[in-house]
Amino acid sequence: GQSLEQPSEVTAVEGAIVQINCTYQTSGFYGLSWYQQHDGGAPTFLSYNGLDGLEETGRFSSFLSRSDSYGYLLLQELQMKDSASYFCAVISWGKLQFGAGTQVVVTP
Amino acid sequence: DAGVTQSPTHLIKTRGQQVTLRCSPKSGHDTVSWYQQALGQGPQFIFQYYEEEERQRGNFPDRFSGHQFPNYSSELNVNALLLGDSALYLCASSSPGLAGGLYSETQYFGPGTRLLVL
Repeated sequence: GQSLEQPSEVTAVEGAIVQINCTYQTSGFYGLSWYQQHDGGAPTFLSYNGLDGLEETGRFSSFLSRSDSYGYLLLQELQMKDSASYFCAVISWGKLQFGAGTQVVVTP
Repeated sequence: DAGVTQSPTHLIKTRGQQVTLRCSPKSGHDTVSWYQQALGQGPQFIFQYYEEEERQRGNFPDRFSGHQFPNYSSELNVNALLLGDSALYLCASSSPGLAGGLYSETQYFGPGTRLLVL
């Protein structure tokens, strides 16, 4: 079967660094995406990894290791507005399968 | 440039009824996917439409059906509503990915339709 696992919640203070890990088990793996969703809002695309390695987009970076079926999202210089749910999502067989999400709580 | 739009924003139905949700993709996008997001969960893939045909489908019963129009807009229909169908229904649009259309690395989501079944 297919599965994605990510922590349910992470709490950190402003200015800190947070890493959200995602492990997956799936066939037909194509790539790993990350989405952010604020309460009541739509998911918004953050990052995509199709190949092994690190992708950097401003304060956010994402990493993929295909051999380990593992990826992570790194949030640097945390700001209050980063409080949201973060989803890893696997693209496989033309479908986007989301994890259950990680609630990131940023405190002053 | 208008993003993905969905209508209505909220809807209340009773068990057994039928509902139709609508989505207009982002300009330049030809592929529309629908997702169901229950409270506290990640979005679950329902199906994807491309060139007016259902291209991929998730693990949803036949009560869930859809349509894509020549202008790329799409509808999601749910028949014989159950209490468990209460959720946020998200539409996402994309353009053909590097693999020629089947895999879209980036999807743009609309604000969703919140459906409550009583």
